[in-house]
Amino acid sequence: AAGVIQSPRHLIKEKRETATLKCYPIPRHDTVYWYQQGPGQDPQFLISFYEKMQSDKGSIPDRFSAQQFSDYHSELNMSSLELGDSALYFCASSPYRAEQSYEQYFGPGTRLTVT
Amino acid sequence: LAKTTQPISMDSYEGQEVNITCSHNNIATNDYITWYQQFPSQGPRFIIQGYKTKVTNEVASLFIPADRKSSTLSLPRVSLSDTAVYYCLVGDIETGGFKTIFGAGTRLFVKA
Repeated sequence: AAGVIQSPRHLIKEKRETATLKCYPIPRHDTVYWYQQGPGQDPQFLISFYEKMQSDKGSIPDRFSAQQFSDYHSELNMSSLELGDSALYFCASSPYRAEQSYEQYFGPGTRLTVT
Repeated sequence: LAKTTQPISMDSYEGQEVNITCSHNNIATNDYITWYQQFPSQGPRFIIQGYKTKVTNEVASLFIPADRKSSTLSLPRVSLSDTAVYYCLVGDIETGGFKTIFGAGTRLFVKA
């Protein structure tokens, strides 16, 4: 079965650089979520999109922005990178409430290292 | 979103049944209870979801008492591969389904 695809899987950037993470949801899933998980930390919700519109926002820094495109893929743009941004970034997708479920399907993550 | 409290860690042995209890005293009428499992460096994986009484699937059972202020995830006959972090989430699917808050999960260690 198709899964959530994230690219790149690994990314190394220097401080103050920018990074773009991409997420391709499962086909027919119209909702996308982004999470950040630092070393030894629990996943932190960043932002979500439904039908290409931002649906909710969590602890996403102002330096980060995201969008969902017409084909439902999403991109997380990160600027002025800081050492503390080093983390695993997960994308998840779900069908919108159609199945009355909280079930989200997570991708393999992008490991971002800021040096 | 209701706050959840789980034990920080639990130990078990292969073949035993493991029960992880989550407290959610402020659960709202429309809230559902969902459990996720996460292995190191992997994304969380949905285990089970319920609203009241008991729900069972091929992986686990979820017990929810009448007052719904707590819930218990039951893993039958655990194996070494069940060593993971387990998260309990509570939220309203209708209005809060877009914002998923992971609290501090329970780190389960299964020993041989």
